[in-house]
Amino acid sequence: GNSVTQMEGPVTLSEEAFLTINCTYTATGYPSLFWYVQYPGEGLQLLLKATKADDKGSNKGFEATYRKETTSFHLEKGSVQVSDSAVYFCALRRGGSQGNLIFGKGTKLSVKP
Amino acid sequence: GAVVSQHPSRVICKSGTSVKIECRSLDFQATTMFWYRQFPKQSLMLMATSNEGSKATYEQGVEKDKFLINHASLTLSTLTVTSAHPEDSSFYICSARDPGGGNTIYFGEGSWLTVV
Repeated sequence: GNSVTQMEGPVTLSEEAFLTINCTYTATGYPSLFWYVQYPGEGLQLLLKATKADDKGSNKGFEATYRKETTSFHLEKGSVQVSDSAVYFCALRRGGSQGNLIFGKGTKLSVKP
Repeated sequence: GAVVSQHPSRVICKSGTSVKIECRSLDFQATTMFWYRQFPKQSLMLMATSNEGSKATYEQGVEKDKFLINHASLTLSTLTVTSAHPEDSSFYICSARDPGGGNTIYFGEGSWLTVV
């Protein structure tokens, strides 16, 4: 079946450190891949997405590349800020644009000044 | 941008009672809304898909009679937890798909339910 596995947290970094949150997936066909972010007290927000192999999604300094050969969609940021502290969810969408999302367990990131 | 509002954000109810959670799309018409549940340290699990004007489609293992979903209008879906028990305590979050916005899915803020 379809599933998403992401690295367990929490992840604690100092400001300006490099961030990687690993995400791998299992899916039939060619799913679209997403990263969502949940800031404290808020709902989930779409951070970035990629809809086909080798696509790179990017937003707010975050990047992730759809790697079909390794079934991965790792999230990276070169220099994190305290304001990046949040829970990050990797997700895939099955069934094309009409499908629902399947999420990983989420990774909590804490950035210290 | 598009906003999905979920209410209440926190609710405490007594065991055996029912509680309703509302999910509204504020500036778009959502033909499809999704309800998720998140257990502590677990992922978001899809409970059901709600289509306006028709019965919800429940995921395997989700009790239809316990988690009543109504999607009576294009901007409102409700989840009613009936005869709540402490094990129903969880974080419930809805999302709505914007068909006019490239099928982008927007999430509500979530609702913390505590059954005592």
